[in-house]
Amino acid sequence: AQTVTQSQPEMSVQEAETVTLSCTYDTSESDYYLFWYKQPPSRQMILVIRQEAYKQQNATENRFSVNFQKAAKSFSLKISDSQLGDAAMYFCAYRGGNYGGSQGNLIFGKGTKLSVKP
Amino acid sequence: EAEVAQSPRYKITEKSQAVAFWCDPISGHATLYWYRQILGQGPELLVQFQDESVVDDSQLPKDRFSAERLKGVDSTLKIQPAELGDSAMYLCASGPFDRVTGELFFGEGSRLTVL
Repeated sequence: AQTVTQSQPEMSVQEAETVTLSCTYDTSESDYYLFWYKQPPSRQMILVIRQEAYKQQNATENRFSVNFQKAAKSFSLKISDSQLGDAAMYFCAYRGGNYGGSQGNLIFGKGTKLSVKP
Repeated sequence: EAEVAQSPRYKITEKSQAVAFWCDPISGHATLYWYRQILGQGPELLVQFQDESVVDDSQLPKDRFSAERLKGVDSTLKIQPAELGDSAMYLCASGPFDRVTGELFFGEGSRLTVL
């Protein structure tokens, strides 16, 4: 079974600084997606960034980028120029590439609570 | 912008009572998921639908939980009877059945408190 591990329950960053959130996963599949989702307090979960396993290039979305190390099964999120609005729970998630059956499910890590200090 | 709708946002009930949550996915999304999220933890799958069919309900406590998606559109998750340990956020998510993005879209959730 696939697992996702986030080893940092809480992180803190100064406004305008850079922070990296860690995630490791375990799978025997070769085709899959990895995601970082953001969940602000009392708000819905929204997608931050997505990485397809078959793509070697690391995904980037504005201030958010990932370091995808497929062999090491590592998928970290870097937030540059942190803003107060970045404060939230961040979840790393895995989804198998075969959408048939239960492999379409998202498997989440336990999350990292990010605080941004002004 | 299309969103996943959930209701109620908050529900307080006493143990042994019945509760129900409703989810309306984004139009056209074939897959629908119910997740349970305990405070401070990541969501865990309860049940997954493909159209009106259950794809995976292996983690659904079937002695007290039931879920349906009769016409392959909206869905209801029911708990009867509710127990103290059921206090959690219940999230609904939907997604298209294709490989374009792999993304799931989430509703705001239904927070259940069992007293």
